[in-house]
Amino acid sequence: DTEVTQTPKHLVMGMTNKKSLKCEQHMGHRAMYWYKQKAKKPPELMFVYSYEKLSINESVPSRFSPECPNSSLLNLHLHALQPEDSALYLCASSQPLAGLLQGEQYFGPGTRLTVT
Amino acid sequence: DAKTTQPTSMDCAEGRAANLPCNHSTISGNEYVYWYRQIHSQGPQYIIHGLKNNETNEMASLIITEDRKSSTLILPHATLRDTAVYYCIVRVENSGYALNFGKGTSLLVTP
Repeated sequence: DTEVTQTPKHLVMGMTNKKSLKCEQHMGHRAMYWYKQKAKKPPELMFVYSYEKLSINESVPSRFSPECPNSSLLNLHLHALQPEDSALYLCASSQPLAGLLQGEQYFGPGTRLTVT
Repeated sequence: DAKTTQPTSMDCAEGRAANLPCNHSTISGNEYVYWYRQIHSQGPQYIIHGLKNNETNEMASLIITEDRKSSTLILPHATLRDTAVYYCIVRVENSGYALNFGKGTSLLVTP
């Protein structure tokens, strides 16, 4: 199984809502990532978890809160978002070697988020 | 990670080879060249990577110049489904860093 799944596929939320994005992989990968992609732009890294510990936070606002409850699951909790946070949110995974991150990453299809 | 330069867009006729260039003149000796693509409204897909030798897999071939300052991704028989944005990324393997996507090349395969 070389698939990364993400739910929901689409999400519309108001600025006062709290919602969560979910990501799951069963490839035994121990590194998982969140990327944000605005329209017609490349993906931008938000967070990296390595062995269920947050290893990289690219200065992301606190209204985005990641969580890695186990080695197969990655969540992104959303609260008090702004309309400019509307984007495609991509999850990816890879297998770290000696705790370091490999360049071959497997991406999910993304969650299309619209903040109204 | 070294910076890469790619053409903004390219066209290719279906059935022909698509040759996508990438310039990475500041590449370091321990940096690999990675290629990903992103079909519209999907997540990026890993294609291939290499250090200095040419590489081939079921999807594509990667040709790296001897001085390693540039590379070419070759899709030998392009199909309409190969229409996508192709990203060339230079990265130290097994590093503490994640992927740094540049602007990529938008490849349009036409009938």
